[in-house]
Amino acid sequence: EDKVVQSPLSLVVHEGDTVTLNCSYEVTNFRSLLWYKQEKKAPTFLFMLTSSGIEKKSGRLSSILDKKELFSILNITATQTGDSAIYLCAVDNTNAGKSTFGDGTTLTVKP
Amino acid sequence: KAGVTQTPRYLIKTRGQQVTLSCSPISGHRSVSWYQQTPGQGLQFLFEYFSETQRNKGNFPGRFSGRQFSNSRSEMNVSTLELGDSALYLCASSRTFNPGGNEQFFGPGTRLTVL
Repeated sequence: EDKVVQSPLSLVVHEGDTVTLNCSYEVTNFRSLLWYKQEKKAPTFLFMLTSSGIEKKSGRLSSILDKKELFSILNITATQTGDSAIYLCAVDNTNAGKSTFGDGTTLTVKP
Repeated sequence: KAGVTQTPRYLIKTRGQQVTLSCSPISGHRSVSWYQQTPGQGLQFLFEYFSETQRNKGNFPGRFSGRQFSNSRSEMNVSTLELGDSALYLCASSRTFNPGGNEQFFGPGTRLTVL
């Protein structure tokens, strides 16, 4: 059975801090790993990672995948209160239409 | 400023038919992402378009396709509909691609029922 484990489960930091969120996985026939940010209702897409060692970057957020060690990290630098959210990691296998989600990391950024 | 609009709001189709859904992003937004939401699977990412190019595609069969026009409006098409395609299809727009934390604005969705 496919499994995605995220750590830490929750994190409280102050504005300006840098955070690293972790996602490890066990999945048959890996296709891609996705990061989402969920603030209120629906999660919003952040990154899709398919290749090892290639960092994806967007503003203060970046992410990288290690397919040998089966994990990914999401980095947020210079955090802002608007970064407070649940960050979800999901892994797709090659069976179309099925994503396995982790339980998420709840990030709280205090002013 | 007008929000994200999706048409139609509701659709009923039968198995084997095809369907085209439309999304108009917020003015000035060049990225459009599509999601499928079902009670069983939750929210699943379909694809993301930016400047008429598909940037990312989720784990869906080839029956699901999309495109984006020069005015940033986007359409998604599902061919050979199956019962399992019944879902709420959400479109979201943002200013840039791979939002990376930048806010996405969701439309009201198109509720597709396949009989």
